[in-house]
Amino acid sequence: SQQGEEDPQALSIQEGENATMNCSYKTSINNLQWYRQNSGRGLVHLILIRSNEREKHSGRLRVTLDTSKKSSSLLITASRAADTASYFCATDGGGFKTIFGAGTRLFVKA
Amino acid sequence: GAVVSQHPSRVICKSGTSVKIECRSLDFQATTMFWYRQFPKKSLMLMATSNEGSKATYEQGVEKDKFLINHASLTLSTLTVTSAHPEDSSFYICSARDLERGGELFFGEGSRLTVL
Repeated sequence: SQQGEEDPQALSIQEGENATMNCSYKTSINNLQWYRQNSGRGLVHLILIRSNEREKHSGRLRVTLDTSKKSSSLLITASRAADTASYFCATDGGGFKTIFGAGTRLFVKA
Repeated sequence: GAVVSQHPSRVICKSGTSVKIECRSLDFQATTMFWYRQFPKKSLMLMATSNEGSKATYEQGVEKDKFLINHASLTLSTLTVTSAHPEDSSFYICSARDLERGGELFFGEGSRLTVL
């Protein structure tokens, strides 16, 4: 079964604002990854955070991980219209599999 | 960087025919590849794990006779949708891990299957 629930399911913001997406998961993990998907396209890897890390930055992206709460957040600062996409968190499940959450659809208005 | 190539990107077929989708790792070897299915505005559902040189491991509820997976080499896995029906219409995405790059998962661009 899928694990990883993102919230919100959909988010609409103005260009320049920050966007925060959250992800919760159910089992222990080795790492958690965030991916982006433009409509009808494949996934692009954004950032990986390991279970022993609490925060990671990459450009305008900031990811946090709280293993005690089994949750992660993705913050996109100074959003742009080009950031409009769906964002998924994914966790390493058992047997070397990656399990995806339901995703957050982000819409950034110019 | 590492690239996973998926082909075809779009395919339309008639009910009852079979369709093959290829997934290639272009600059790394992948002993394991993964096949996902994605319904509109939904997340990715893992269908099966493709293992080079051995049988694929299917997730619960996925018909292995319907979705045939062959991982004949370290750079190629194929998914064949057999006797396709309209309900098989979906977006199929493959991925492969590059163990030399810390196990990062790279995805193909996906294949949109439409069964008439």
